[in-house]
Amino acid sequence: SQQGEEDPQALSIQEGENATMNCSYKTSINNLQWYRQNSGRGLVHLILIRSNEREKHSGRLRVTLDTSKKSSSLLITASRAADTASYFCATGPNQGGKLIFGQGTELSVKP
Amino acid sequence: SQTIHQWPATLVQPVGSPLSLECTVEGTSNPNLYWYRQAAGRGLQLLFYSVGIGQISSEVPQNLSASRPQDRQFILSSKKLLLSDSGFYLCAWSVLYRQGDHGYTFGSGTRLTVV
Repeated sequence: SQQGEEDPQALSIQEGENATMNCSYKTSINNLQWYRQNSGRGLVHLILIRSNEREKHSGRLRVTLDTSKKSSSLLITASRAADTASYFCATGPNQGGKLIFGQGTELSVKP
Repeated sequence: SQTIHQWPATLVQPVGSPLSLECTVEGTSNPNLYWYRQAAGRGLQLLFYSVGIGQISSEVPQNLSASRPQDRQFILSSKKLLLSDSGFYLCAWSVLYRQGDHGYTFGSGTRLTVV
């Protein structure tokens, strides 16, 4: 079964606005990761937050983690058209180093 | 440098035909390797993973099989394709970040259409 579930499924914003995507998961985790996928391409790792961390920044990305609510959010500030992609959260690692991915949020940033 | 190669990029195969997708990694040894499938507009479903040569774990019952004949080679196969095997197939390997955390590096994917 899927571990991470993203919300919303799709998000459309104007360039310059902030984009917030949420992820909920079901079981305990060691870390939670966010990936980006451009249409028809492989996923690219964006950022990892450990279970003992509450917030992490990387450039225009900010990730928060609330283990009591089993949820995480990814904030992209000052969005650009080039940020248009699908964003996935993943939890793990599980046995064999497996990551379990959510269904993703499709972000569209209009110029 | 560490890289992952996946081919072909696209493939159109008739129902009942065999399948072989190959994934190779460079610049690392004894990697954990993974095959995922992504249906259109959906998340990733883990199909197989391997922690070493000849070691394959299957996550879901299906029409596919996987093999790892060499340390840095991971192959996804089918003897007879079904229409439901269509999808976007992604190979990934687990990379070690600093502080002991692991994440994935993905290949560029294979778009398989079974007709």
